[in-house]
Amino acid sequence: IAGITQAPTSQILAAGRRMTLRCTQDMRHNAMYWYRQDLGLGLRLIHYSNTAGTTGKGEVPDGYSVSRANTDDFPLTLASAVPSQTSVYFCASTSSRREVNEQFFGPGTRLTVL
Amino acid sequence: GENVEQHPSTLSVQEGDSAVIKCTYSDSASNYFPWYKQELGKRPQLIIDIRSNVGEKKDQRIAVTLNKTAKHFSLHITETQPEDSAVYFCAATDQTGANNLFFGTGTRLTVIP
Repeated sequence: IAGITQAPTSQILAAGRRMTLRCTQDMRHNAMYWYRQDLGLGLRLIHYSNTAGTTGKGEVPDGYSVSRANTDDFPLTLASAVPSQTSVYFCASTSSRREVNEQFFGPGTRLTVL
Repeated sequence: GENVEQHPSTLSVQEGDSAVIKCTYSDSASNYFPWYKQELGKRPQLIIDIRSNVGEKKDQRIAVTLNKTAKHFSLHITETQPEDSAVYFCAATDQTGANNLFFGTGTRLTVIP
């Protein structure tokens, strides 16, 4: 693995189903983030994690949950998907121990909820 | 929380001309302001950033200016080229201690050959 990866690349999901989006980085970054990108709304933060074992809520956390069991992985779970969760989801990571630094983005997951 | 506004939403320029994108932010304690470029179907990538202790930063054809008093910052691209066509996002940090980024809604730049 080089950098930050996401899986799946795209997914079509029936409403009410549970779905986990995967994100893995090999840069040993302490901080990781999940964003959703919708046309005309830019990137909005869903959840974040400053270090393994801790998570926090972003701007639009409702309907989503995350976990950070280790440094490398930061999965995002939709417990019961709804059509309004149709979006492109980006995971990002950064090293932020001393000061704010560049966030590196994964390639994204395009999710369609029908 | 932080609120970032970005203008214009679309911008078309002739190749070789300059392009300017402007953003304002609400949290006077914000101290980091990155700009990301996103090509169609790709991930956002950092092109330049500026911290609150400087007023201007330049990298070849790209420059960013910051006015902390007015709480606005701008991206300047000179001698635009067709490959500059993309969506550009500004962002600013919050001051909750989490150093999260809040993004503007993006500017679609089209450089006409």
